[in-house]
Amino acid sequence: GENVEQHPSTLSVQEGDSAVIKCTYSDSASNYFPWYKQELGKGPQLIIDIRSNVGEKKDQRIAVTLNKTAKHFSLHITETQPEDSAVYFCAASMYSSASKIIFGSGTRLSIRP
Amino acid sequence: DTAVSQTPKYLVTQMGNDKSIKCEQNLGHDTMYWYKQDSKKFLKIMFSYNNKELIINETVPNRFSPKSPDKAHLNLHINSLELGDSAVYFCASSQDESLPLYNEQFFGPGTRLTVL
Repeated sequence: GENVEQHPSTLSVQEGDSAVIKCTYSDSASNYFPWYKQELGKGPQLIIDIRSNVGEKKDQRIAVTLNKTAKHFSLHITETQPEDSAVYFCAASMYSSASKIIFGSGTRLSIRP
Repeated sequence: DTAVSQTPKYLVTQMGNDKSIKCEQNLGHDTMYWYKQDSKKFLKIMFSYNNKELIINETVPNRFSPKSPDKAHLNLHINSLELGDSAVYFCASSQDESLPLYNEQFFGPGTRLTVL
């Protein structure tokens, strides 16, 4: 089955700097890669996703890149702000079947003022 | 007008008891899920229902029994609770997974279960 590894487990960056979170997946059949943000005491919320027919996607300060050959994908947050502090999860799945989303182990991002 | 709601938000109970967690979504989604998040924040799927039918059943003790009375509700009943069941349980829903555009999962606020 699919296995998703996520690094780092914790990340602290100065406000205004960039943050990068990296994930690898094992199943080459996976074709959908969402990123979820979980704020304290809340459920995860989708912030951006990318499908295997795209190499990069950007939404304001957030961007994701996907390297299908190497089977890894990354989340980039630029100009970080205090409200970016949260736990971020990468995930992988196939959307063509009764699939399940496999989540990475999470990255706790802290933004230093 | 909460999209995915769960009750209760907190549940503290003794080992050996039986308890239920309820979930409702008003998004008109076809698929609902239960996830378990342990103390290290690891998020793992337990069950998935599509239009009231079980489609994903992970390796979960049979003390856990989901029930979907209609496609807007997915409840989780847990028998003979054990210390290791302590976790945060999240309900989620998504549109028909066969439609590529609708894979976003909407999560509820979670139920923190503590077994003493």
